[in-house]
Amino acid sequence: QQQVKQSPQSLIVQKGGISIINCAYENTAFDYFPWYQQFPGKGPALLIAIRPDVSEKKEGRFTISFNKSAKQFSLHIMDSQPGDSATYFCAASYSGGGADGLTFGKGTHLIIQP
Amino acid sequence: DAGVTQSPTHLIKTRGQQVTLRCSPISGHKSVSWYQQVLGQGPQFIFQYYEKEERGRGNFPDRFSARQFPNYSSELNVNALLLGDSALYLCASSWGRRLTEAFFGQGTRLTVV
Repeated sequence: QQQVKQSPQSLIVQKGGISIINCAYENTAFDYFPWYQQFPGKGPALLIAIRPDVSEKKEGRFTISFNKSAKQFSLHIMDSQPGDSATYFCAASYSGGGADGLTFGKGTHLIIQP
Repeated sequence: DAGVTQSPTHLIKTRGQQVTLRCSPISGHKSVSWYQQVLGQGPQFIFQYYEKEERGRGNFPDRFSARQFPNYSSELNVNALLLGDSALYLCASSWGRRLTEAFFGQGTRLTVV
């Protein structure tokens, strides 16, 4: 059972544009939603994370929007740059830890065209 | 400060063999989690260890085992390797038992032939 569904699978955005990646979750016990960025041959790097008590969190060019009633959250990358080209994963967990760890989406391969 | 370090970086094993992967967490972090990432997929949770005790286990067979040492480093063992075990094995560390602020190492690429 895939508990976190991520879309699109791949995305091409022009330099300076806005990249938007969406995720939907099923488990209402999830209370921590991070986004990770992964470059080829590297481990995932934590970008930004949100808890369901806020609807939006912004850090630099990266913004998470969260819709608790719809069980959806999204990553917006403003002024996208070629260096942002990477694979992005959304994830979800119960922050108390335990049986399920972080549940990841399948990833979005983002290409920023110069 | 050093991040999460994993060794070895690459490994080739034959079907049926056993393998041990190692992870050193960020200094001060007491929790280590292991994930398997198959090419083109997101990481899948295998184990979490906190204060040397197993705190969580994903849907993996008993061929997979792990332990955490008093210095909070960890080993992942996989017995009776199958071709399907070929993947990037990732270790993540966090300060407490909670899974927030989990930082990943660059992984061990295991190839089973």
